[in-house]
Amino acid sequence: EVQLMESGGRLGKPGESLRLSCSVSGLTFRDYNFNWIRQAPGMGLEWISSISTDSGYIHYADSVKGRFTISRDNDKDSLFLQMNGLRVDDTAVYFCARSRPDSTGYSTPDFWGQGTLVTVSS
Amino acid sequence: DIQMTQSPSTLSASVGETVTITCRASQSIFRWLAWYQQKPGKAPKLLIYKASTLENGVPSRFSGSGSGTEFTLTINSLQPDDFATYYCQQYDSNVYTFGQGTKLDIK
Repeated sequence: EVQLMESGGRLGKPGESLRLSCSVSGLTFRDYNFNWIRQAPGMGLEWISSISTDSGYIHYADSVKGRFTISRDNDKDSLFLQMNGLRVDDTAVYFCARSRPDSTGYSTPDFWGQGTLVTVSS
Repeated sequence: DIQMTQSPSTLSASVGETVTITCRASQSIFRWLAWYQQKPGKAPKLLIYKASTLENGVPSRFSGSGSGTEFTLTINSLQPDDFATYYCQQYDSNVYTFGQGTKLDIK
């Protein structure tokens, strides 16, 4: 059974740093691209970052570019999101999600974890 | 970035009805569009990808169509389990974007 489990969410203050983790099991982690997607309370979904299998391709939404860093450890089946310079509007549930494999190279998130809550407040 | 606009924002319907949700992209995304269903407190579930391909295990009452900039999600014969929020999402660009969501509730 494929499982993605996020951790690391907590209450933080503006300007602080936080590192989220996503532990993956039930699949060959190194074979998949992964994403971080967030959802502010009562709001819609916002994709924020993706990373390719070998970390060679990394992309960010403008809202987090320069502040957040996605990374992965293929030996530990884990995905990470380093969040620096936190802002109040970073408050959200953060989901990690696997990208559906597709031979065309165009892939979309298909399997999601349950999310971890990050709250940023002074 | 490519903007995705869904309509309507909310939709009230009864069990057994057929409903349609529309998603428009600010530029052509060919058929690189996905639809997700999300229930309160849960992670989104992929329903459809590549505009019209049903994900494994998704009931056939769900269908998607469209290409370019106009897409639709149709749910035939609504079931009680279908009342949820639906999102479209483009993946033509490396910067993925979601529509704002359509909340489908019981009339």
